[in-house]
Amino acid sequence: DAKTTQPNSMESNEEEPVHLPCNHSTISGTDYIHWYRQLPSQGPEYVIHGLTSNVNNRMASLAIAEDRKSSTLILHRATLRDAAVYYCILSGSNYQLIWGAGTKLIIKP
Amino acid sequence: GAVVSQHPSRVICKSGTSVKIECRSLDFQATTMFWYRQFPKQSLMLMATSNEGSKATYEQGVEKDKFLINHASLTLSTLTVTSAHPEDSSFYICSASLPRQETQYFGPGTRLLVL
Repeated sequence: DAKTTQPNSMESNEEEPVHLPCNHSTISGTDYIHWYRQLPSQGPEYVIHGLTSNVNNRMASLAIAEDRKSSTLILHRATLRDAAVYYCILSGSNYQLIWGAGTKLIIKP
Repeated sequence: GAVVSQHPSRVICKSGTSVKIECRSLDFQATTMFWYRQFPKQSLMLMATSNEGSKATYEQGVEKDKFLINHASLTLSTLTVTSAHPEDSSFYICSASLPRQETQYFGPGTRLLVL
């Protein structure tokens, strides 16, 4: 039972920023918000995760709403290699990740 | 860092045979490893959670006698699909995590085709 809701797909132009939304209205106080991405026939790749504060790393930024019921993954400058399925996932105290359907990101050259 | 490997990357076997898939954490010790299955155009489905030195915890609906998991060391977990059937054909992915850390690092996956 996925606890997150994401759009099925999104399109963006190359070299433009991408904002991938995720709703998680039933999030509990101890759930972390994770983002992974997966290219076809490959294992998922870790992108970023956070708990309450916004997070930045070399791949992306994660903006978390004040009530934590939604978050946005931000790719600052999309390239063709960023085309993938992006998963927004909550993890609880047992460290398990329960995967939803994800968002297929299409990058147009 | 945090590299996870899987072997083999793809395997074809006859119905009724058993297949073993290895998952290794190459540059870190993983107290917990996870096994997932992914069917075409679907998301990952957690099969079991494996802690080093103890029995794996299987998700509801996953047969523990069919999918044998062994986590004998901090760097190796194996999944054996016993008496494989065509419906077991899938993409099997493992992941590993550091102690008390949230992030999971995934292997490249193993494509199993049962004829």
